[in-house]
Amino acid sequence: DVKVTQSSRYLVKRTGEKVFLECVQDMDHENMFWYRQDPGLGLRLIYFSYDVKMKEKGDIPEGYSVSREKKERFSLILESASTNQTSMYLCASIRAGSSYEQYFGPGTRLTVT
Amino acid sequence: AQSVTQLDSQVPVFEEAPVELRCNYSSSVSVYLFWYVQYPNQGLQLLLKYLSGSTLVKSINGFEAEFNKSQTSFHLRKPSVHISDTAEYFCAVAGTASKLTFGTGTRLQVTL
Repeated sequence: DVKVTQSSRYLVKRTGEKVFLECVQDMDHENMFWYRQDPGLGLRLIYFSYDVKMKEKGDIPEGYSVSREKKERFSLILESASTNQTSMYLCASIRAGSSYEQYFGPGTRLTVT
Repeated sequence: AQSVTQLDSQVPVFEEAPVELRCNYSSSVSVYLFWYVQYPNQGLQLLLKYLSGSTLVKSINGFEAEFNKSQTSFHLRKPSVHISDTAEYFCAVAGTASKLTFGTGTRLQVTL
């Protein structure tokens, strides 16, 4: 079974802090994604990566950056956390060229106070 | 560009009643459609998918969805729901580079 893990289930940070969210997958998938999930807005793509050191902006990249130094790990970085970044963050991975089934981690609920 | 519309944000239903969750899509590339389910405090899991072939696709727990090209729809149905089906359901359409565009979700609340 594919396993996607996220470093924290719940996280509370203060405004202005630098925040790192980590995602690790164990199936050698090339493509990885970061989404945020908000009530009434569904899932929105922040960034994705299709290879090590490669990244592309999604629909809402402002205020975020990412890092992919190893194939299995994809990090989401909030350079200076703000209250409007309070949300659920979901990581997903998929094998390149497969049938689009993305495998999701359990999510990190981030609260910025 | 791709987009997905889920018209119902919440659907309350009694146990053993039928249910339909509606999904309409638009896509400028080949149409691959998905339903994902999110149980409380969990990530998303794939429920079923349409890639090609038969327009009626089924899940292992009794859900089914029908791809209707003329109506650009992919509605999810179950003839008799169970309390354990209470969850949020997301419809999604595939785009380029393995990306998915999700709808805003429908919360299915099953009560006795």
